[in-house]
Order: sequence, then C-alpha cells, then structure tokens
Amino acid sequence: DAGITQSPRHKVTETGTPVTLRCHQTENHRYMYWYRQDPGHGLRLIHYSYGVKDTDKGEVSDGYSVSRSKTEDFLLTLESATSSQTSVYFCAINTGPINSPLHFGNGTRLTVT
Amino acid sequence: KNQVEQSPQSLIILEGKNCTLQCNYTVSPFSNLRWYKQDTGRGPVSLTIMTFSENTKSNGRYTATLDADTKQSSLHITASQLSDSASYICVVRPNYGGSQGNLIFGKGTKLSVKP
Repeated sequence: DAGITQSPRHKVTETGTPVTLRCHQTENHRYMYWYRQDPGHGLRLIHYSYGVKDTDKGEVSDGYSVSRSKTEDFLLTLESATSSQTSVYFCAINTGPINSPLHFGNGTRLTVT
Repeated sequence: KNQVEQSPQSLIILEGKNCTLQCNYTVSPFSNLRWYKQDTGRGPVSLTIMTFSENTKSNGRYTATLDADTKQSSLHITASQLSDSASYICVVRPNYGGSQGNLIFGKGTKLSVKP
C-alpha cells in the first residue's frame, strides 16, 4: 500500500459551485498526478506535480486548477463545476524510478447536477 | 497519433477457464508497456511491465507477451478465478519525457468470471 488517500470518496454538487478534491500521501514522493476516468475513455491526465509548487498541465486541464503547497498534499479544484466534469477522479503517485508503476488512490466519484 | 487499443471491450468466461486480452498500440518511440488490473470501485494496480527487449513476463496466473515489431501485447489469464473479475488496462509509456505525465492508457477490457 503506497499510502494514498483521496477525499471525499463521493460528492454531489451543483453546476457553478467550486469543488476541491484532496489527495494525500503518507510518504514524500515527488511526482503526483490527477486523472479522470469516464466510460468510453482511457484514464486521462488533468494535471501533475513534480514538487512543491511545481505543477504542469495534462491532456484535459481546462476547467481545473491544482495546488501543491506541501509534499504530501495535491489538491484539484474545479472553480465552477459543470456537468461535463461528472467523472471519477484518481490521484496517483510515483514511488520509485521513472519506470516504476503508478500507485493509484481509490478515486473520488463526483456528480455535478 | 499515439494510441492504445484494447480488445475485446468486455468478456465473460466461466471460472477455471483461460482467456487472452489484446492490446495494440501505435506509440512511437516506445519505452515500456504495462498491464494494470482495476477492481470495481478501486484504483488500477500494476500487474506487469515489459520493455522493448522483453517478449514475455509472468506474474502468477497472469502472463503478458509483447511483440514490438507488430506493436501488439496480450495478457493471458490461466485457470481464472472469480477474483479475476475486473477491468484490465494496457498502458504504454513513450520514450520521451522525464515524468509519467505522457502515459497513454487504453480503454480497458472488462472481464467477468462466472461460477
């Protein structure tokens, strides 16, 4: 167990409201990632971080922002949630060399009504 | 365009039977290919990794093969168990970039093992 906790596990929110999802790791791994998983698509990268205050955009970053003020926490924010952001969100970390497997959290199921 | 295609989309087999899942990719240049297992309601977990020079890798009842010339991989599951019911995701890493932010994920094959 790589010690990744995502919170909340489930959330229902209304269109236009801000939402923040949290990913917490119990170790001090440098790389952290946010993905979304939707039917008919593979996992798609939203943003990733390679250190405190160091982040970069992924394939589907529009409408999302991230912050990493501490090594152990990586926050994903939807500034104004839309129905197209209804999805399951996964956080992942790299625990070793660059070719080591990603370790995923158990996801946050977000529904935007 | 870099793509990873998996087949079949879904598969139902009886407990104890074998099955093979397919992954075709067009990623170039290629670094490695990994198979993940994703149980319902959980995050994916790595099963195997294969680099360019490897053509077979086993992990218990799971055996992955890779043909880098034809850009095809397969995951063979032997003597299936009910706990094998899950989605199996093929993931390819291109040979560039210093992070894993460029991984290309297949859509997965959903396997159901029935008693």
